Amino acid sequence: DGGITQSPKYLFRKEGQNVTLSCEQNLNHDAMYWYRQDPGQGLRLIYYSQIVNDFQKGDIAEGYSVSREKKESFPLTVTSAQKNPTAFYLCASSASRGRAETQYFGPGTRLLVL
Amino acid sequence: QKEVEQDPGPLSVPEGAIVSLNCTYSNSAFQYFMWYRQYSRKGPELLMYTYSSGNKEDGRFTAQVDKSSKYISLFIRDSQPSDSATYLCAMEANKLSFGAGTTVTVRA
Repeated sequence: DGGITQSPKYLFRKEGQNVTLSCEQNLNHDAMYWYRQDPGQGLRLIYYSQIVNDFQKGDIAEGYSVSREKKESFPLTVTSAQKNPTAFYLCASSASRGRAETQYFGPGTRLLVL
Repeated sequence: QKEVEQDPGPLSVPEGAIVSLNCTYSNSAFQYFMWYRQYSRKGPELLMYTYSSGNKEDGRFTAQVDKSSKYISLFIRDSQPSDSATYLCAMEANKLSFGAGTTVTVRA
């Protein structure tokens, strides 16, 4: 059963804390993405990776970091430098960048600040 | 000005009605046009994907692209309560750009 999994479903962050969101895919896709979704603003790209050990900043990368050590995994860390982290975070993958018709989304992680 | 403009609604229609959704865009480089459906607290799923101007049908769904007017539409015929969701348009040049999403409720 192929797809993308994200965990946890809900995550609570305290002030000054770094938190890591997990994203795993078994679709054998090369490209992976992280988006942030806020009410009324659509999806905004945080980071993307086209290949293992390589990743690029998206439109709103400040306060976030990623790694791509394995093809299947693309974790996102929300650092204490991100002052407004409350949002719905979506991970996605596609066969390759530029193949949007193959892009699948995970179920999302909702991050809340305590 | 945003690259992709989409009226957030909300839009409420009775069961069986035609739902009409649209987006406008400013970037002439957009070549691929998509519509995603997103149920509450879930990830988006791809509904329709088009490349050229014109219409594309898939069951009750019709996607329409007018590149000369920079305008795309999605029509849902014979709408059902299960169609209640947020619909996102998206367009691709070298990256995907999303509209804000329109929330649709189909009343039984």
